[in-house]
Amino acid sequence: AQKVTQAQTEISVVEKEDVTLDCVYETRDTTYYLFWYKQPPSGELVFLIRRNSFDEQNEISGRYSWNFQKSTSSFNFTITASQVVDSAVYFCALSAGGGYQKVTFGTGTKLQVIP
Amino acid sequence: GAGVSQSPSNKVTEKGKDVELRCDPISGHTALYWYRQSLGQGLEFLIYFQGNSAPDKSGLPSDRFSAERTGGSVSTLTIQRTQQEDSAVYLCASSLGRRSYEQYFGPGTRLTVT
Repeated sequence: AQKVTQAQTEISVVEKEDVTLDCVYETRDTTYYLFWYKQPPSGELVFLIRRNSFDEQNEISGRYSWNFQKSTSSFNFTITASQVVDSAVYFCALSAGGGYQKVTFGTGTKLQVIP
Repeated sequence: GAGVSQSPSNKVTEKGKDVELRCDPISGHTALYWYRQSLGQGLEFLIYFQGNSAPDKSGLPSDRFSAERTGGSVSTLTIQRTQQEDSAVYLCASSLGRRSYEQYFGPGTRLTVT
């Protein structure tokens, strides 16, 4: 069985602060994929990043960075110098196991960036 | 358009009525998913299609819920005898089908049962 835990329900930061969103996952599969999605107030989920279980290299994309650590089963997401436009609900997701693409989503972390 | 579309965007219905929600996936995407998102909650998986087949219906809450997909494209989620607890946003997503691929989400249908 797969499980994704996003323990932080809501986070508030002041603009320009850095913020890290935590994601802890559980799976027995050795091959799996992790994702982050953003759901802005407008409601439509948008894909941010995919990481496979064999690639533990951290990734940076502009102000966004992701830290994948298999040893702790974590895939954390950091926003540097946060902006008001970063305010959204962020979901971590796991795809593992089975002969098809079953995806398990976390419950999401609501980020509010205060100007 | 190039994205996933859903219709209607909003639906208000009386308790006990049947509703149909439609999803048009991205052309060429073989996998299609339905999720339910209640106010302030996460994504609740409902059903998955690979082509026209639904190998995983485990998330359907009750036998009042059903879904079909035709021509490997459009999908319809039907809720019979709606109840107030069915009120939620119903999201559809599609992907290229393999588990490595990300999902593309539609804007959702907001269902309100009065």
